[in-house]
Amino acid sequence: GAVVSQHPSWVICKSGTSVKIECRSLDFQATTMFWYRQFPKQSLMLMATSNEGSKATYEQGVEKDKFLINHASLTLSTLTVTSAHPEDSSFYICSARAAGKSTDTQYFGPGTRLTVL
Amino acid sequence: GDSVTQMEGPVTLSEEAFLTINCTYTATGYPSLFWYVQYPGEGLQLLLKATKADDKGSNKGFEATYRKETTSFHLEKGSVQVSDSAVYFCALRFGNEKLTFGTGTRLTIIP
Repeated sequence: GAVVSQHPSWVICKSGTSVKIECRSLDFQATTMFWYRQFPKQSLMLMATSNEGSKATYEQGVEKDKFLINHASLTLSTLTVTSAHPEDSSFYICSARAAGKSTDTQYFGPGTRLTVL
Repeated sequence: GDSVTQMEGPVTLSEEAFLTINCTYTATGYPSLFWYVQYPGEGLQLLLKATKADDKGSNKGFEATYRKETTSFHLEKGSVQVSDSAVYFCALRFGNEKLTFGTGTRLTIIP
């Protein structure tokens, strides 16, 4: 099946620094990518949806200036957590959907665990 | 708003035991219901789904029935294997809108 990778799989950073997480579709072109976040013992929450070449659509309550999403190519989307703080520590998961496919056909990455000290 | 509630884990079972992971939902209307599985080191994968009341989704020996009366979609398997150890997520969706997930239930099967 289709594969989505994320890099890095885990990252530790100091408060105030920025962290970039990459999401790649390895064997298909992803016209739409999704970014999710999961806090411990909580649900996986959609943060934003991005379509290749256009601005991301953020869910209510997600700060677009803090979580910068770039979907510059059909195989790569990046999430940059700017000026990270300990409360941003979480598990971030991306998923990707190919053109013409239903929402059921989302392929998920393995996730990136971010710890902000 | 819409929400999904799953039984808290972790769940630990012996091989060949019967598995039930409870999932209930709150929504206005009748969403499609899903179970996703995440094996260690991998991304979430769609395990099974049901799109209307009384539908039964099944895959890899797992089953779940869409119960409108109890707003539930419990996941079951008659005889689990060590390879079933994973995190299981219940989710709902209306049409082509976003998925609403539960918290996930970690399942560990011991030989």
